[in-house]
Amino acid sequence: DTAVSQTPKYLVTQMGNDKSIKCEQNLGHDTMYWYKQDSKKFLKIMFSYNNKELIINETVPNRFSPKSPDKAHLNLHINSLELGDSAVYFCASSQGVGGGADEQFFGPGTRLTVL
Amino acid sequence: AQSVTQPDIHITVSEGASLELRCNYSYGATPYLFWYVQSPGQGLQLLLKYFSGDTLVQGIKGFEAEFKRSQSSFNLRKPSVHWSDAAEYFCAVGAGYSGGYQKVTFGIGTKLQVIP
Repeated sequence: DTAVSQTPKYLVTQMGNDKSIKCEQNLGHDTMYWYKQDSKKFLKIMFSYNNKELIINETVPNRFSPKSPDKAHLNLHINSLELGDSAVYFCASSQGVGGGADEQFFGPGTRLTVL
Repeated sequence: AQSVTQPDIHITVSEGASLELRCNYSYGATPYLFWYVQSPGQGLQLLLKYFSGDTLVQGIKGFEAEFKRSQSSFNLRKPSVHWSDAAEYFCAVGAGYSGGYQKVTFGIGTKLQVIP
């Protein structure tokens, strides 16, 4: 019955590797997001998709590539991982477009550790 | 661009005491305002939100927040804190982005510790 789920929950990998994080929501929402939470708990938006269309793309290295195969899924692929990519990545979803006025529902997070 | 300031990074209160967490925002118009709570190892959960109308909004878990336009503030309050309220609290503002879309900007969070 999980509303927003992410896999894996923990990800430990070496510098230079490529990894993916998957996100699925069963709420029927139109908009999905990826956030990065750093070690100081600062939460910053990376991307947002509405009905599979990219609508928010913050200043994120192009090593990060989101993919939305359908509106219930938003995956995050990261190439050539760096130490600074270590963080907790949260997926979220909301009903409606753009998210500025909508409640966002967050997944449990994926803790990425790059060694 | 909008911004959110949470002046207190860490607050400690005794169980049963009242709580106020401060939040100030910067935006040209009235933004959408939110408070989210993050328990350890969990994602964020919405406590309450303000869009318009009554400036005192009630949320879940006995929390309330008051919007004060003159002070650009949206402080979160609870009259009596329970040990289970220990968590990280995030104030957020939803406002303009580009292409007609909006995005939510989060503050840095306030960590609440509750002591017996």
